[in-house]
Amino acid sequence: GQNIDQPTEMTATEGAIVQINCTYQTSGFNGLFWYQQHAGEAPTFLSYNVLDGLEEKGRFSSFLSRSKGYSYLLLKELQMKDSASYLCAVSDSNYQLIWGAGTKLIIKP
Amino acid sequence: IAGITQAPTSQILAAGRRMTLRCTQDMRHNAMYWYRQDLGLGLRLIHYSNTAGTTGKGEVPDGYSVSRANTDDFPLTLASAVPSQTSVYFCASSVSGGYNEQFFGPGTRLTVL
Repeated sequence: GQNIDQPTEMTATEGAIVQINCTYQTSGFNGLFWYQQHAGEAPTFLSYNVLDGLEEKGRFSSFLSRSKGYSYLLLKELQMKDSASYLCAVSDSNYQLIWGAGTKLIIKP
Repeated sequence: IAGITQAPTSQILAAGRRMTLRCTQDMRHNAMYWYRQDLGLGLRLIHYSNTAGTTGKGEVPDGYSVSRANTDDFPLTLASAVPSQTSVYFCASSVSGGYNEQFFGPGTRLTVL
């Protein structure tokens, strides 16, 4: 079967760095997405990785290792507004997104 | 309209009733999707459409139907609602297939009693 695993919840301190991991087992791979979802709102796109390595975009970076079925999202200089759920999704062989359950990130002052 | 809209925002529905959730996008995207989101579970794909005139079944299609008569609109119909269909429903669109980012509507919170 297809499976995306990510931690249910993480807590971090304002100004710090946090890494959210995602491991996947899917039928085929056409890229991995990270989305941010604030409570009661729609998911919004953060990043897309299809090749191995690190993609940096401001305070957010995303890493992919296809051989390990592994990705992480790195958030630097955490701000209170970063409190949200972070969703990992993989595009499978049919180009459909398979979603993880999301990681709820709590930022403390 | 800017982006993707959904209606209604929320709805309480009696079991057995028919309900259509509306979704409209103005980005001229080819692909559109319907997901449901339940606590503790990831987004689950109900139905999708890669282009106007075509539709396909996702992971959890039973009890739902869709149509794609034109590029902009992608309604989701519950023929006879059941309590297990209580969920938050998101419509999304993308330029084309699964290697393009998806843009999400604000969601419809549906409660079936």
